[in-house]
Amino acid sequence: DAGVIQSPRHEVTEMGQEVTLRCKPISGHDYLFWYRQTMMRGLELLIYFNNNVPIDDSGMPEDRFSAKMPNASFSTLKIQPSEPRDSAVYFCASSFFFRDEQFFGPGTRLTVL
Amino acid sequence: SQQGEEDPQALSIQEGENATMNCSYKTSINNLQWYRQNSGRGLVHLILIRSNEREKHSGRLRVTLDTSKKSSSLLITASRAADTASYFCATDNTDKLIFGTGTRLQVFP
Repeated sequence: DAGVIQSPRHEVTEMGQEVTLRCKPISGHDYLFWYRQTMMRGLELLIYFNNNVPIDDSGMPEDRFSAKMPNASFSTLKIQPSEPRDSAVYFCASSFFFRDEQFFGPGTRLTVL
Repeated sequence: SQQGEEDPQALSIQEGENATMNCSYKTSINNLQWYRQNSGRGLVHLILIRSNEREKHSGRLRVTLDTSKKSSSLLITASRAADTASYFCATDNTDKLIFGTGTRLQVFP
């Protein structure tokens, strides 16, 4: 297995633009997590899915953020409109069980100018 | 909110020395995990210790857990330059895994 795949690896955009981050979890994993990492706030859980259903989105900062998981092999995190304070590294992770070890993707470094 | 807090925030040692990192947390847990993050990369799982375990080993890693003190430690023995990375503890509360602030370890050759 190739592990968790994220795209793009780097994204530079201007304030107000829509940004879509993509994730392919490891096949067979039932849980998918989206995290955001910044120097100031560390690693924050944004949302997680179980069997493609969003379970907890309490970490999503505001309505500009949305996430979907249309099938077991694909998830998106969308920011619309983007703002400079959204600049961060966004990680996707997946796991078999909720409290099991999580496998992280390489991350998407987002810069909003 | 942060559940786990690592200590120290940064640690510099020479190759061959041992490195010890500590993690303190606030609420009761089912298990505690340690992860490593190399610069510019995603986190990699190192070891999971359950609340009914006190010590666990994996290669050069030794993890201890003291639930009475709500703390854990990660010991890396005979460190190598390749161990240079940030190390995070992660604790599970009722509904999510919460990562600590991390310890940045620098191992000089």
